Amino acid sequence: QSALTQPASVSGSPGQSITISCTGTSGDVGGYNYVSWYQQHPGKAPKLMIYYVSDRPSGVSNRFSGSKSGNTASLTISGLQAEDEADYYCSSYTSSTTLVFGGGTKLTVL
Amino acid sequence: QVQLVESGGGVVQPGRSLRLSCAASGFTFSNFGMHWVRQAPGKGLEWVAAMWSDGSNNYYAVSVKGRFTISRDNSKNTLYLQMNSLRAEDTAVYFCARDRRGGDLKFQLDYWGQGTLVTVYS
Repeated sequence: QSALTQPASVSGSPGQSITISCTGTSGDVGGYNYVSWYQQHPGKAPKLMIYYVSDRPSGVSNRFSGSKSGNTASLTISGLQAEDEADYYCSSYTSSTTLVFGGGTKLTVL
Repeated sequence: QVQLVESGGGVVQPGRSLRLSCAASGFTFSNFGMHWVRQAPGKGLEWVAAMWSDGSNNYYAVSVKGRFTISRDNSKNTLYLQMNSLRAEDTAVYFCARDRRGGDLKFQLDYWGQGTLVTVYS
């Protein structure tokens, strides 16, 4: 199972919005709504930010939103804040009953 | 509050075995599916294995199938990962994580431990 494709890095200034893409296939992202997004700060455990493509767990800011079109899912962060600087990973359930992650995207807040 | 604490990591030679444990607290462990995810130094996340809440079904990544075994003891609120025939490429921090929904697996991981480092080194 190949990793989902994410941009290696994105950046934005405080207050701006950024979008991170996550491209898979019809056997994962395109075939199921079990797409999640995780935030990971250096040396820390990942944190679930989005599940079921666009749902937010309790306690996650509504500045984080998710969407999907075809085989590509997206995470949008609006009103960028310094604390958003982190690595972001998408994941998807697959037709092989496994979980596949994206390669990760490093977000830099300028 | 939900807590997951991994243990059992260390330095091991190629070809040897190691068993990781994940002690769970703050929730009804027997109601939730569980996962192992690993992260090689400086690299991204890689899903390793998962098990249903009652232990009846388990799933593995191709890279570890036949070498690693996931198991759980619901009476001890503990998840395990038995790792055999270890290779240098298995070197990583191993996280245990809870599946967001109870019962079967939805492959959405809502709580994670802090991880335990496994180094395979000759």
